[in-house]
Amino acid sequence: AQTVTQSQPEMSVQEAETVTLSCTYDTSENNYYLFWYKQPPSRQMILVIRQEAYKQQNATENRFSVNFQKAAKSFSLKISDSQLGDTAMYFCAFMLSTGANSKLTFGKGITLSVRP
Amino acid sequence: GAGVSQSPSNKVTEKGKDVELRCDPISGHTALYWYRQSLGQGLEFLIYFQGNSAPDKSGLPSDRFSAERTGGSVSTLTIQRTQQEDSAVYLCASSLGTLRTYEQYFGPGTRLTVT
Repeated sequence: AQTVTQSQPEMSVQEAETVTLSCTYDTSENNYYLFWYKQPPSRQMILVIRQEAYKQQNATENRFSVNFQKAAKSFSLKISDSQLGDTAMYFCAFMLSTGANSKLTFGKGITLSVRP
Repeated sequence: GAGVSQSPSNKVTEKGKDVELRCDPISGHTALYWYRQSLGQGLEFLIYFQGNSAPDKSGLPSDRFSAERTGGSVSTLTIQRTQQEDSAVYLCASSLGTLRTYEQYFGPGTRLTVT
């Protein structure tokens, strides 16, 4: 079974600053995806960024980038130039890329507050 | 285009009553997932439908929970004899299926409160 751990329950950052959210996972599989999802107060889960495990290059999406360390099973999210609209819960998630069930396994989430 | 929709947005029910939660996936999406988000357990997988295949029910917490998907589109999650521990947000997601399962689109969820 796969597990995802987000050990920081809350973080706060000043607007325009950079913040890094941590995530570790455990799996014996070699082919998988990792994700960061954002959940604002509206409850809508929004995909922020995706990383394929076979890719060595870290994924980036505008102000969002990841530091994927496969050997260490670490997958952190860096948010640059933080904006007030980034205030939300952030979930790290894992999915096997093979097999019949493509369910997501989530971490507990972290509440990020961006201060003006 | 339209995203995943869920109804009702909020539901308050008395302990012991049955409830039905509805999910309308994105048109053309063959895969549909139900997840539960609760304070104690975080976000957990409940059930997965893929096309006409038998659903994966491995995440359903008890036999009081069931789900169906009619005509490969709309899905209904039914909770019988609700308990207070069933209080949670129930999220539905859909994807294009086996080729693009990594792109799951979520609905806004149904917040269920059992009193």
